[in-house]
Amino acid sequence: AQSVTQPDIHITVSEGASLELRCNYSYGATPYLFWYVQSPGQGLQLLLKYFSGDTLVQGIKGFEAEFKRSQSSFNLRKPSVHWSDAAEYFCAVGGNTDKLIFGTGTRLQVFP
Amino acid sequence: NAGVTQTPKFRILKIGQSMTLQCAQDMNHNYMYWYRQDPGMGLKLIYYSVGAGITDKGEVPNGYNVSRSTTEDFPLRLELAAPSQTSVYFCASRPRGGNQPQHFGDGTRLSIL
Repeated sequence: AQSVTQPDIHITVSEGASLELRCNYSYGATPYLFWYVQSPGQGLQLLLKYFSGDTLVQGIKGFEAEFKRSQSSFNLRKPSVHWSDAAEYFCAVGGNTDKLIFGTGTRLQVFP
Repeated sequence: NAGVTQTPKFRILKIGQSMTLQCAQDMNHNYMYWYRQDPGMGLKLIYYSVGAGITDKGEVPNGYNVSRSTTEDFPLRLELAAPSQTSVYFCASRPRGGNQPQHFGDGTRLSIL
């Protein structure tokens, strides 16, 4: 079955600390992987995507993610978190199909 | 540069009423989607469309209907609103190609009382 798991429902970090949000997927074909961010009261905004090539992808707002096929993972990272990064983060997987499968999200809280 | 526009932003309905959530995109995208978002549940696909005149069910279609008469518009109809349909609804669109990201509207927050 195709699925996306975000094991951490809620993460709290201090401003300036590093961040890693986990995403594991199950997909029967070559996956296309996405990370989205949702600020309160807003829609989802694309942070980055992977579909081929270099397994380390750079996104907006200083985020990056690494695709590890052997671990079926696509973890999101940021070296130094800013207070404005507080939001909910969604991982999604798709392929050469019409639909995306979303994880249940990780809520990030940032303390000053 | 409007992108995906959803109206209304907020709405309160009484049980049994009906309404249409509007979604319009100005990017000439073939694919359009309706999701609902409930706390802790992520996004669940209600209906989607791969082009004008073509619609298909997603994961949670019961209680909803859609139509796609133009490329730009993809309205979602609720008939006989029920409390279980209280949610935040998001519309999204994307161009052809599975590696293309979806672009989201800002959502409609709907309460059924």
